[in-house]
Parts: sequence; structure tokens; C-alpha cells
Amino acid sequence: DQQVKQNSPSLSVQEGRISILNCDYTNSMFDYFLWYKKYPAEGPTFLISISSIKDKNEDGRFTVFLNKSAKHLSLHIVPSQPGDSAVYFCAASTHVSYNTDKLIFGTGTRLQVFP
Amino acid sequence: ETGVTQTPRHLVMGMTNKKSLKCEQHLGHNAMYWYKQSAKKPLELMFVYNFKEQTENNSVPSRFSPECPNSSHLFLHLHTLQPEDSALYLCASSQGRLGGSVDEQYFGPGTRLTVT
Repeated sequence: DQQVKQNSPSLSVQEGRISILNCDYTNSMFDYFLWYKKYPAEGPTFLISISSIKDKNEDGRFTVFLNKSAKHLSLHIVPSQPGDSAVYFCAASTHVSYNTDKLIFGTGTRLQVFP
Repeated sequence: ETGVTQTPRHLVMGMTNKKSLKCEQHLGHNAMYWYKQSAKKPLELMFVYNFKEQTENNSVPSRFSPECPNSSHLFLHLHTLQPEDSALYLCASSQGRLGGSVDEQYFGPGTRLTVT
């Protein structure tokens, strides 16, 4: 059973508009949530994270919102740019040892930003 | 070289072959990870090494054998694989949690493995 779900496999947004990518999770014990971006032929790169004790974290054009009661988080990209076109993965984090984490990933959402 | 590198980038092997995937991190990190990404599935954690010690084996079949000789290098030895093992294998590294903050993992580009 998938603990992290991204129900939209793809999203298409016009340049300059807002992109909203959604993610749902089932385990209330996750303590961090992360977003990764992946371009073709490259590994995922870290984008932004949020602690489970926060409800919002902002970094430039990227903002992540966490709704713990709904077990839902979203990534907002404003304004969207063509270079943002990539696959976005949501991940949830739990400890596996005293200082390392286990990331559980969603299946990803392919974002396409068109001119 | 910077970041996390993986070799080879592409590998085709028969079911009776033995091959190895290599990962090297140049970030001074203490932890290294192997992930598997099959088509239409999320990335799945396979193994975690922390200071060269294996701390997580996510019920991976014994035909996958990891080796971590030091904190900078990680190998995945493959033998008698099945066609369903065809996937993208990603290596990652991290510093480890510092003061309770999130432990960002840095990924390599992956090895695309095809088992025939």
C-alpha cells in the first residue's frame, strides 16, 4: 500500500501562471516532507522541504503547504517558467538509524510549462 | 568530479551474468543509499549505509548484494537477475541529520539496467 500518493501524473501550465502540485500521505508519523525535481537522464534534485510542525515553507518562487489534518501537502510555483518543466516527486521522511532517514516517494507529477 | 556519480549509465545483462554498479560521492557525506525505480512505480529504497555499516535492507532479494568499502563508495553486485529487475538504479548520499534538521539526500544520475 502506497504511503505517499501523487494522484495527478501530469500537469500543464502556462508560463507566468501558478503551478500547484499535490501530494497525500497516510502515515502521521512522518516528520519531514520533501519535494524533488527530476529532469530526463538526471537524478532527482532536492527542491524544498517542510517540517511536520510547520504549515508553510517558502523559498523564492517555491512554497510548500502542509495540512496535517488532511494529510495533504502541495507545492506552489509562482510564476511558472519553462525551465520548471520536469517530474516532481513528493517524499516523506522517517528515521532508519540515529542520523539517517528513509525517504518514501510518490510516483511523481510531470509538469509542463508552455509559453 | 562533483556530487554523486554512477557508472555505468546503461547496462544490459543476461540472467546468468554477474555485474556491478558503482557509486561515488564527492560531498563528504556519511550515508549512502541504493534506490530502485521501476516503470510507473515510485522510487523504492533498497539499502542504507551509515559510516560504512548497513542500517537498512528493505527486504531486497539476495541476488542484489551491496558493498560499502568506505563512506565515499558504494557498489551493488548483481547476479542471476530476472527480467523484472530491469529498472533505473539510483544512488544517493546524505550528511545525516544535523541538529534535528531534514537529511537531504543527493542523487546520482542512475544506471539504466536491462535484464534479458
